[in-house]
Amino acid sequence: GPKVLQIPSHQIIDMGQMVTLNCDPVSNHLYFYWYKQILGQQMEFLVNFYNGKVMEKSKLFKDQFSVERPDGSYFTLKIQPTALEDSAVYFCASSLLGGPYEQYFGPGTRLTVL
Amino acid sequence: SQWGEENLQALSIQEGEDVTMNCSYKTYTTVVHWYRQDSGRGPALIILIRSNEREKRSGRLRATLDTSSQSSSLSITAAQCEDTAVYFCATDAGASSSFSKLVFGQGTSLSVVP
Repeated sequence: GPKVLQIPSHQIIDMGQMVTLNCDPVSNHLYFYWYKQILGQQMEFLVNFYNGKVMEKSKLFKDQFSVERPDGSYFTLKIQPTALEDSAVYFCASSLLGGPYEQYFGPGTRLTVL
Repeated sequence: SQWGEENLQALSIQEGEDVTMNCSYKTYTTVVHWYRQDSGRGPALIILIRSNEREKRSGRLRATLDTSSQSSSLSITAAQCEDTAVYFCATDAGASSSFSKLVFGQGTSLSVVP
């Protein structure tokens, strides 16, 4: 099926530092998403993004989080500054259409905040 | 079954057996996504069933959806070792019909042994 790529696969940083997670979505997709999964827990929605704007975000999407996709490059999730509770696996997803349609997920970035 | 505060369910079956995993959901949705997640990888969409479909098949997979009881099921016929994975159901709780926000269940960890 369609491939979503995520870079890096693992990232270890010290608390308070900034981190940027990169997502290369399916080439013709227009809608982008980030989800967070803490080890042993269910995956949770963070944010969706379309046409350069955040359309909806959850309570987990703290003020320290931001997303962007400048000029069709990577779709990024930036956390500045990071906190210990940000340690999790972050999954990017994309879809061609908005609404209740197929979302394709990347392999995830495992973020460890020390 | 999976949803809400339930812990991750675990099932172990032998190769060749049939298995059914259940999912109940709380919020209105027009679609249920079923994903499988292999260890260390992102979720892979296996079946998407809509509210106007009571049943959907894909190879050895069969999904059902009962909107009146807000439940869905995923069945695997003649399970094989490569079916070993965690299976998630997800509903779409987007604020509008144009933007998606998947809400995942806890998942069922399926182990198929020879």
